Amino acid sequence: AQSVTQLDSHVSVSEGTPVLLRCNYSSSYSPSLFWYVQHPNKGLQLLLKYTSAATLVKGINGFEAEFKKSETSFHLTKPSAHMSDAAEYFCVVTGGATNKLIFGTGTLLAVQP
Amino acid sequence: SAVISQKPSRDICQRGTSLTIQCQVDSQVTMMFWYRQQPGQSLTLIATANQGSEATYESGFVIDKFPISRPNLTFSTLTVSNMSPEDSSIYLCSVETSGTFHNEQFFGPGTRLTVL
Repeated sequence: AQSVTQLDSHVSVSEGTPVLLRCNYSSSYSPSLFWYVQHPNKGLQLLLKYTSAATLVKGINGFEAEFKKSETSFHLTKPSAHMSDAAEYFCVVTGGATNKLIFGTGTLLAVQP
Repeated sequence: SAVISQKPSRDICQRGTSLTIQCQVDSQVTMMFWYRQQPGQSLTLIATANQGSEATYESGFVIDKFPISRPNLTFSTLTVSNMSPEDSSIYLCSVETSGTFHNEQFFGPGTRLTVL
């Protein structure tokens, strides 16, 4: 069975400072891992995806994530936060016989001016 | 990529009634999915809908409560039947397609349902 744990339900950073959103996964298979972002009253947008290629994955809007098998982690980072980054972020795992997405509980990112 | 629209975007319904949510995609896709996002919570998969076959429901979801249609490769509907306040959620459809990321899923904007 697969699952993801997002370690922080809320993260608050100042504009221009680094962002770190933490995610740990559990999977019986070689997982594919995703980060999605959901802005208020908008649909989900895919930020980036890991599929067993390079362990450091670069996504849109300056975000990146590193797959660490030894730590079963897939943390999302960004060097410098922007006000427009304020949103909810979901870590997602899939794998095995189906492409069913398993969502984490989400991390709400607030960016202070 | 895929552009997905949902109708209605939101609705307020009375207990005991049913609501049908439509999902339209701008390209032909094989796999479509329906999710529920309860207030303050994450997304949970309700069912997978492939054209030409019965929908496959996840544990805790049944066809009598959430009947799904998939008449063609660009359209699907989800009905929330005999609604109760516990059904108040955002319902999202998604499609799987080849894109920038292999076999990524694209999501619609969601339908915000409130049951009184």
